[in-house]
Parts: sequence; structure tokens; C-alpha cells
Amino acid sequence: SQELEQSPQSLIVQEGKNLTINCTSSKTLYGLYWYKQKYGEGLIFLMMLQKGGEEKSHEKITAKLDEKKQQSSLHITASQPSHAGIYLCGADIGSGTYKYIFGTGTRLKVLA
Amino acid sequence: SAVISQKPSRDICQRGTSLTIQCQVDSQVTMMFWYRQQPGQSLTLIATANQGSEATYESGFVIDKFPISRPNLTFSTLTVSNMSPEDSSIYLCSVEEAYFGTGGSDEQFFGPGTRLTVL
Repeated sequence: SQELEQSPQSLIVQEGKNLTINCTSSKTLYGLYWYKQKYGEGLIFLMMLQKGGEEKSHEKITAKLDEKKQQSSLHITASQPSHAGIYLCGADIGSGTYKYIFGTGTRLKVLA
Repeated sequence: SAVISQKPSRDICQRGTSLTIQCQVDSQVTMMFWYRQQPGQSLTLIATANQGSEATYESGFVIDKFPISRPNLTFSTLTVSNMSPEDSSIYLCSVEEAYFGTGGSDEQFFGPGTRLTVL
């Protein structure tokens, strides 16, 4: 079974709409990473969350990590076609050692 | 921020051969990682490569199949040995930089990937 569940698997929204992508684990997440992958451009690191309840924003993208450090959400406000791509969450579930796992990704399409 | 280049960007190889992928970083970094992303699957960590020590492999990956070199703080190679079609994948190298100070946190950077097709 997947250790890091990501939902939804795909999402099509109209430009200007808000959207949320979720990332859930049964294990404690010692570091939660959000990435964006565009075809031909490689994987881009967006944000890292470490503390329970932490929230970070970059332009119109906000990511939160819950208090129990087992769930994170990525929220995009007023989506634009430039937001289209695959969003991937990754996490460090090793206590003291690096053990990275990744979700299966969410494919986002924004209709102009 | 670190800038990472990978060579080759893509290759088509015959079954049974080996391919070495190079990863070059424009700054000195301690932590380097090699990932694989097979079609339709999530990114999977192959190994962590730290300069001056043996690479640490994740479950399911062994040194004989994926030998890694890390001769200095800016360069690493991953070899995919005795390839089979199941090795067809995108291989990514990644580095992690730590920022210290107020609210310091680590940041990860990824190379552009090497798209490998094994016939």
C-alpha cells in the first residue's frame, strides 16, 4: 500500500478558481515537501514544512502541515494556466535518518 | 540556489548493457540523492550519496545493480548495470542545501533528469 496518499489524482479547474490537493500518511512526517513537475522542465521544489501546524505561502500557493504532522494540504488561490502541471508531495519519515517517500502526484489542468 | 546538470538527458540502450549517468552541481553540497521515476509511478529514492563514504541504498536497490560514485562535493555518478526493459525510467539526482539562521530550513534541488529507455 502507498505510504503517502495523495488526492485527487487529477484535477481540472477553470482559471480563477481555488483548489486544494491533499497528502496524507499514517506515519509521522518529519519533513513534508511539495514539488511541481512540468514536462521538460524537471522537478521544482516548492516548499518544505517541518513543524505541526506550520503554514507557508509562495505567491498564490499555500501549504499547511497539520498539528499531528500526518497530513498536508496545498492550496492554490485564483488558479492560472501557469499553475498547470503535476504536484507531488514527498516526506521524510525517518527519525534521525533520511527516509524519503513520495505520493503518486496530482495532475492539474487549468482551463483558460 | 544550487544548479544541477545531468548527462545524458536521454538515452536508448540495449538489454544487458550499462549506462552511467553524471550529475554535476555548481556548488559544494553534502547530501546528494538519486531517484527513479518509472512510468505511472511516484518518485522513488534509490540511494543517498555522501562524499567520502559508501552510498546508502534503499530497500530494493543494491550496489551491484546501481553502483554510485561520489568523488567530490560537486559530482556524482549513477550506473544502471545489466539493464532490462524494467529499468526504463527517468533518473533524477537531487541535492539538499541547509540554510541556517532564523527559520532556517533545508531546500532540495533536482536535476533535469535522464530519460532512459531499454529495448
